[in-house]
Amino acid sequence: EDQVTQSPEALRLQEGESSSLNCSYTVSGLRGLFWYRQDPGKGPEFLFTLYSAGEEKEKERLKATLTKKESFLHITAPKPEDSATYLCAVQAATIKAAGNKLTFGGGTRVLVKP
Amino acid sequence: EPEVTQTPSHQVTQMGQEVILRCVPISNHLYFYWYRQILGQKVEFLVSFYNNEISEKSEIFDDQFSVERPDGSNFTLKIRSTKLEDSAMYFCASRELSETQYFGPGTRLLVL
Repeated sequence: EDQVTQSPEALRLQEGESSSLNCSYTVSGLRGLFWYRQDPGKGPEFLFTLYSAGEEKEKERLKATLTKKESFLHITAPKPEDSATYLCAVQAATIKAAGNKLTFGGGTRVLVKP
Repeated sequence: EPEVTQTPSHQVTQMGQEVILRCVPISNHLYFYWYRQILGQKVEFLVSFYNNEISEKSEIFDDQFSVERPDGSNFTLKIRSTKLEDSAMYFCASRELSETQYFGPGTRLLVL
């Protein structure tokens, strides 16, 4: 069974204080690892897709990296508007391309104080 | 920018009643999904749908649930006889050939 564990559960940062979020996963063959941002009461908003170990993606103050067992989301010099829950999800490699469900972690709630 | 839309945003129903949650996926997408998120818990997969049939479903998706694509734009989730434990946010997602799924804003379902 695919499993995703995110840590820490919550993170309080001062504006400008860089930090990293962890996503550990076990999956029977990784097709892709996804990072989403979720604001309260809203749907997950896509950030990044990573496919293979060593891959990195960047967007503004966010950078996602991937190893064979975990992924990190680095937040550099965060601003209050970066406050959100960050979700990690994995997709297992399957024969049937039409399925490809996502298995989510519990998320990391990030609060950035001015 | 194209978006997945969902209606209604909120739905309150009595236990045992039927509800239909509606989604309009992004127009050129071919694969459709429903997920749910019980308050304070993880986002959970319910069902995937492609080429007018279910591709995969979870243990949660029992006989009380059904999905349909009644026309070229809508994708619906029906719960035949709601239970208290069906209270959750329900998210629709869609994707094209790439693996990235795009989510709608969700429907908050409250079963009383």
